[in-house]
Amino acid sequence: GNSVTQMEGPVTLSEEAFLTINCTYTATGYPSLFWYVQYPGEGLQLLLKATKADDKGSNKGFEATYRKETTSFHLEKGSVQVSDSAVYFCALTLNTGGFKTIFGAGTRLFVKA
Amino acid sequence: GAVVSQHPSWVICKSGTSVKIECRSLDFQATTMFWYRQFPKQSLMLMATSNEGSKATYEQGVEKDKFLINHASLTLSTLTVTSAHPEDSSFYICSARDQNSGTDTQYFGPGTRLTVL
Repeated sequence: GNSVTQMEGPVTLSEEAFLTINCTYTATGYPSLFWYVQYPGEGLQLLLKATKADDKGSNKGFEATYRKETTSFHLEKGSVQVSDSAVYFCALTLNTGGFKTIFGAGTRLFVKA
Repeated sequence: GAVVSQHPSWVICKSGTSVKIECRSLDFQATTMFWYRQFPKQSLMLMATSNEGSKATYEQGVEKDKFLINHASLTLSTLTVTSAHPEDSSFYICSARDQNSGTDTQYFGPGTRLTVL
């Protein structure tokens, strides 16, 4: 079946540290891949996306590359800020036989000043 | 970017009553909207897919008679939790699919927190 697996949190980092949140997927077909961010008490905001293999999505210093050979879409940021503290969800969307989005479990990030 | 709104943002109700949550796409028409449920510190679980002018498609295990979905226009879908019970307390998030102008993007609402006493 289709699924998304991302590293468990919480992840705690100091400000300006390097961030990696791992995400791997299984899918039948050719999914689009996404990272969403959720701040406390709020809905989801699209952070970045990639629609085909080798595409790199980037936004606000975050980036992730669609790796078909390793079925991965790891999120990275070179220098995190306190304001990056949130929950990050990796997700895939399939559009064959119906449009459907499957989310990973989410990874909570705490950034300390 | 496109905006999806939800109303209300939070609601408290008594057990046995019904609650309606609205999801609106503010600057695009959405033939398809989605309803998700999120428990504390957990991921989003798709409840149903709402198609304008037709019946919603519910995911396995979701009671369609309890969670009534109506998508009467291209900019509005509603979720009604009927005869609510404390176990229905959750964060409900909708999303709308924008397939206009050569794009195909899903935009999420800010969520509605339901507490059933």
